Amino acid sequence: NAGVTQTPKFRILKIGQSMTLQCTQDMNHNYMYWYRQDPGMGLKLIYYSVGAGITDKGEVPNGYNVSRSTTEDFPLRLELAAPSQTSVYFCASTPRGGGANEQFFGPGTRLTVL
Amino acid sequence: ILNVEQSPQSLHVQEGDSTNFTCSFPSSNFYALHWYRWETAKSPEALFVMTLNGDEKKKGRISATLNTKEGYSYLYIKGSQPEDSATYLCAWTAGTALIFGKGTTLSVSS
Repeated sequence: NAGVTQTPKFRILKIGQSMTLQCTQDMNHNYMYWYRQDPGMGLKLIYYSVGAGITDKGEVPNGYNVSRSTTEDFPLRLELAAPSQTSVYFCASTPRGGGANEQFFGPGTRLTVL
Repeated sequence: ILNVEQSPQSLHVQEGDSTNFTCSFPSSNFYALHWYRWETAKSPEALFVMTLNGDEKKKGRISATLNTKEGYSYLYIKGSQPEDSATYLCAWTAGTALIFGKGTTLSVSS
């Protein structure tokens, strides 16, 4: 199993550009999450999904959108990128049962918005 | 606002020292408490998930305890080694979403 994979690893965007961060897991996990990690801060939840077709906002959803058309994929869309979205983005997944199961993290995407 | 606090923010120990960190979390609506180890340039990896008051878990030289009534968990590392150098994150959940603390960064010198 590849686990949780994320692409790209690095990206530089100009203010106002859009992009999609890809996340795929091959463990047949129902729950998937997107976090951002800023220096000196813990991981902040952006969006999560408890299964295909179901998504919900986390703590910091503004400026982002997600979709979950399949169990495997959970892309994160940035519309009109802003410098405040410069961060490292982590995708994670966990089996059915959510909070009582460990989360498996992808390698992260480092995004810079200039 | 739900807060998960970790202390200390960072610490530096010598090889062979034992150390411990604290995670404080809301005691109401508790469902589970997670501990993750996060090495530089890597992804967080789960150490423990604890759900019951009084839980104690152990993995090698690392162990953790849980007090859900007073809202705290301790992570212990016995005989620290340089390879233990990492940031240790705790996360609290009421069901689905995790609320993470800012982490404790441990540096172990040989």
